[in-house]
Amino acid sequence: GAGVSQSPSNKVTEKGKDVELRCDPISGHTALYWYRQSLGQGLEFLIYFQGNSAPDKSGLPSDRFSAERTGGSVSTLTIQRTQQEDSAVYLCASSLGYGGAGSFYEQYFGPGTRLTVT
Amino acid sequence: QKEVEQDPGPLSVPEGAIVSLNCTYSNSAFQYFMWYRQYSRKGPELLMYTYSSGNKEDGRFTAQVDKSSKYISLFIRDSQPSDSATYLCAMREAAGNKLTFGGGTRVLVKP
Repeated sequence: GAGVSQSPSNKVTEKGKDVELRCDPISGHTALYWYRQSLGQGLEFLIYFQGNSAPDKSGLPSDRFSAERTGGSVSTLTIQRTQQEDSAVYLCASSLGYGGAGSFYEQYFGPGTRLTVT
Repeated sequence: QKEVEQDPGPLSVPEGAIVSLNCTYSNSAFQYFMWYRQYSRKGPELLMYTYSSGNKEDGRFTAQVDKSSKYISLFIRDSQPSDSATYLCAMREAAGNKLTFGGGTRVLVKP
């Protein structure tokens, strides 16, 4: 079946511009995650959504970053006033559930959006 | 200091050799331990996960967890050129699904 898809695959933007990155999770997956992967920092958690619960935004690096998930499916990550240090690969993942104690749900990753801020 | 440390490599081995990868961590609350493989320009894919301490084997792959030492390992037997990729360890606490990753080790298996 279809996996997690992300668009665009590449995005080049000028410093100071806003960008929107899109994620389409696997159908039926209730949990959705955003991560950022950069050379210096590795793969870092940004935010997750689980069903109708309030999202966990604890990994967002600044208030320039925000995300929403509409209708429990598609998610958009928005970066306002982009800076050069925002250049990275932004990865989205989804899972069938969100693990409680003693349960494991595999996270399936999309191919990522490579963001370059010039 | 990062919560999860992983040697970036690259680790170069001849085809057929055993690949040995490891991570150390500092958060004693971590209960689930995962290994992901990531090919260039692709998202990570889960190879194996273990819960708490012990060993787990799946085909050519063996994962080990030593919680007393806060040390996890992945062994790949009979390595193939197609195993050339970046391997990421990841961990999470008992509840929830927020993963903390190591920086990844790049592995090259030469024919």
